Amino acid sequence: DAKTTQPPSMDCAEGRAANLPCNHSTISGNEYVYWYRQIHSQGPQYIIHGLKNNETNEMASLIITEDRKSSTLILPHATLRDTAVYYCIVRVPISGNTPLVFGKGTRLSVIA
Amino acid sequence: GAVVSQHPSWVICKSGTSVKIECRSLDFQATTMFWYRQFPKQSLMLMATSNEGSKATYEQGVEKDKFLINHASLTLSTLTVTSAHPEDSSFYICSARAGGSDNQPQHFGDGTRLSIL
Repeated sequence: DAKTTQPPSMDCAEGRAANLPCNHSTISGNEYVYWYRQIHSQGPQYIIHGLKNNETNEMASLIITEDRKSSTLILPHATLRDTAVYYCIVRVPISGNTPLVFGKGTRLSVIA
Repeated sequence: GAVVSQHPSWVICKSGTSVKIECRSLDFQATTMFWYRQFPKQSLMLMATSNEGSKATYEQGVEKDKFLINHASLTLSTLTVTSAHPEDSSFYICSARAGGSDNQPQHFGDGTRLSIL
């Protein structure tokens, strides 16, 4: 699976949009981009995933560049409860047996 | 959505004790479940892949005789830490992928915090 690069930490003011970048310059054509977050002392929570089109759900939006070498997770109105470590993971869905491999992620701190 | 339940949430026990952690998929069947371990201030590390009805596949460096995995049904996998020692103290997290297409996301339990005294 392609490696990803994320900034180690970011701050965001409460109520503002949080834009979390992820670089995956070696991504291959059939690899999906997944985003998870982990709030302290909990298991990771799935946020969103996509292949090449932008995606939106009730939690966030995922913007993938046309060359697919980078993506941005957008939390439109960050709240204090969004403080967490956010992981960007690329994965080839070869089979259901392929696990997610986690990097170091970005620690997002939402500030009141 | 898909829910993965882990039990117990916390375990504190003496060195030398064996500890069993259960992982259940509550509203879907999972032929494959994954076990991760997380030390403080570090990321999740994959320990093993648990396959229903067959032997688990362990990652390099993970002792299969110490971390026994049983996946006896499509909704339950167990991880037993045998003869646990203080260095086994960690946050253990299980995960499963719901059926359907292979790009479906993995869902995670809330983890089990194991403290060995």
